[in-house]
Amino acid sequence: EDQVTQSPEALRLQEGESSSLNCSYTVSGLRGLFWYRQDPGKGPEFLFTLYSAGEEKEKERLKATLTKKESFLHITAPKPEDSATYLCAVRPLGNRDDKIIFGKGTRLHILP
Amino acid sequence: DTGVSQDPRHKITKRGQNVTFRCDPISEHNRLYWYRQTLGQGPEFLTYFQNEAQLEKSRLLSDRFSAERPKGSFSTLEIQRTEQGDSAMYLCASRDRSRDKLLNTGELFFGEGSRLTVL
Repeated sequence: EDQVTQSPEALRLQEGESSSLNCSYTVSGLRGLFWYRQDPGKGPEFLFTLYSAGEEKEKERLKATLTKKESFLHITAPKPEDSATYLCAVRPLGNRDDKIIFGKGTRLHILP
Repeated sequence: DTGVSQDPRHKITKRGQNVTFRCDPISEHNRLYWYRQTLGQGPEFLTYFQNEAQLEKSRLLSDRFSAERPKGSFSTLEIQRTEQGDSAMYLCASRDRSRDKLLNTGELFFGEGSRLTVL
């Protein structure tokens, strides 16, 4: 069964303290891995898509990387406004289904 | 660009009542998705449409749930005989599959969600 597991569930960092969030996935084939940001009471907001192992994408203080079994979201020198839940999701390969499977997310809290 | 719009934003109902949520996708988007999200969990896929055709339904979608997308524009999600376990945020998302083939992002555009509380 296709599955996405994110760790840690929650992370508290001081402003400026860099860290990484992990997303491990089990799929029969990968058509894309996605990172979304979700603020409380809002819908998820798209950040990145990664398609193949070795690929990297960057946006401001965030960098996403992909291996054959996991993805990392690196956050460099975070600011309080980076506090949110970060969701990882995968689109499995191989059938007509277009569903994207989400992990439970990592709640990130940046302390000023 | 008005984004994906959902209505109502909040709904409180008594167990056993029927509720209906509406989603207006971004106008040129041909794919529309419904997800359900409970506290501390990621969004769970419910169903999706290509224009007016419902192409996939999750096993999570019991017989009490029905979704429609008449004319391939807005969509409705109806829950009949609500139960307390139906309390959740119901998220709608859309994308333009044709344009996405060119840009190759796979991005879903989500609405703000409709929060359902069943008493």
